[in-house]
Amino acid sequence: AQSVTQLDSQVPVFEEAPVELRCNYSSSVSVYLFWYVQYPNQGLQLLLKYLSGSTLVKGINGFEAEFNKSQTSFHLRKPSVHISDTAEYFCAVSEYSSASKIIFGSGTRLSIRP
Amino acid sequence: DADVTQTPRNRITKTGKRIMLECSQTKGHDRMYWYRQDPGLGLRLIYYSFDVKDINKGEISDGYSVSRQAQAKFSLSLESAIPNQTALYFCATRSETREAEAFFGQGTRLTVV
Repeated sequence: AQSVTQLDSQVPVFEEAPVELRCNYSSSVSVYLFWYVQYPNQGLQLLLKYLSGSTLVKGINGFEAEFNKSQTSFHLRKPSVHISDTAEYFCAVSEYSSASKIIFGSGTRLSIRP
Repeated sequence: DADVTQTPRNRITKTGKRIMLECSQTKGHDRMYWYRQDPGLGLRLIYYSFDVKDINKGEISDGYSVSRQAQAKFSLSLESAIPNQTALYFCATRSETREAEAFFGQGTRLTVV
């Protein structure tokens, strides 16, 4: 069975600083990988996804993530954050074979300091 | 209008009461899901359905039941609510395409007192 680990429950950064949110996954088969964002009092929306091909994936709002198969990681990065990026971020995985369900990590709360 | 609509958005109920959370979607997808979100635990899958006749338990189905009334409607019931079912509940839908992402509702905040 697949699983997702987000090691950092909270990440505080200053505005305009770079940020990296870490995600590691475990699966015995190939997977699709996703990052979702949840703004306060809202549902989840897709930031980006990795399906195949180039390991660097670009998403909305200037975010990007890099798939590393050998390290089973899919870390999310942004070179310069804004106050509006304050949100909770979830990494998620879905297996190639059936893609019946998406399994989520525990989330990372990103707080931006002015 | 939202692609995935959940009702109610907020609900306070008493221990032992039966409560139903409703979800409808306009994406035309066959697959629907119920998750609960708790601080520090992320989203955990309660039930999922591939079509009206195909319903599957997720990782935390005890104490919950579901009904798929139509392709577009998927409701979650708590037969006898207990305080540790206090959480934020999300409904989601997804197409059959293996690489497809899920689309989420706005959530239902349920408090059991």
